[in-house]
Amino acid sequence: DAGITQSPRHKVTETGTPVTLRCHQTENHRYMYWYRQDPGHGLRLIHYSYGVKDTDKGEVSDGYSVSRSKTEDFLLTLESATSSQTSVYFCAISEFGGSTEAFFGQGTRLTVV
Amino acid sequence: GQQLNQSPQSMFIQEGEDVSMNCTSSSIFNTWLWYKQDPGEGPVLLIALYKAGELTSNGRLTAQFGITRKDSFLNISASIPSDVGIYFCAGQSTQGAQKLVFGQGTRLTINP
Repeated sequence: DAGITQSPRHKVTETGTPVTLRCHQTENHRYMYWYRQDPGHGLRLIHYSYGVKDTDKGEVSDGYSVSRSKTEDFLLTLESATSSQTSVYFCAISEFGGSTEAFFGQGTRLTVV
Repeated sequence: GQQLNQSPQSMFIQEGEDVSMNCTSSSIFNTWLWYKQDPGEGPVLLIALYKAGELTSNGRLTAQFGITRKDSFLNISASIPSDVGIYFCAGQSTQGAQKLVFGQGTRLTINP
């Protein structure tokens, strides 16, 4: 299995509070991605990174920010959580970007109440 | 954004039956990937396709990269209970070189 660890695995938070999810990899892959999964929508890309300090937006980036200060860590931050951000969040890594396989973490289930 | 249309959305079959699902896109894709997701887990890669027309097998699974580069299918032969789960297609289009776009998923249920 690819060395990807997401933390926390589960979190319940209140509306308006900041939340940070962490993705840690031990594969030294250049590309890292954050997806959210909701019923009927499959996996939608939030943000991705193509190197340290290099990030770009995905299709559902509003309300989210990311940071990558080290190759192995990719952080997803919800500055002020809303109920619409209740979802399962997956981190993925890829050695050469979209043209090669992406490997996924086990997910973080976030509930905003 | 880029869209992948995956069908069917759900399937209810008997154990031992063959399964077929497909993905289509309005844009050309360079890569097609098929993933399976078990409950409470992240998606796991099943098959990767890199060339138009490519046909690849992984045990009872077979997938093909369509000649037009706008579609792909996944077949599962002689289904067994552990095939239950959600199957996703994913692709990298010529417009988004660093991103993988996912279909909505096909939920497979098997009656013993």
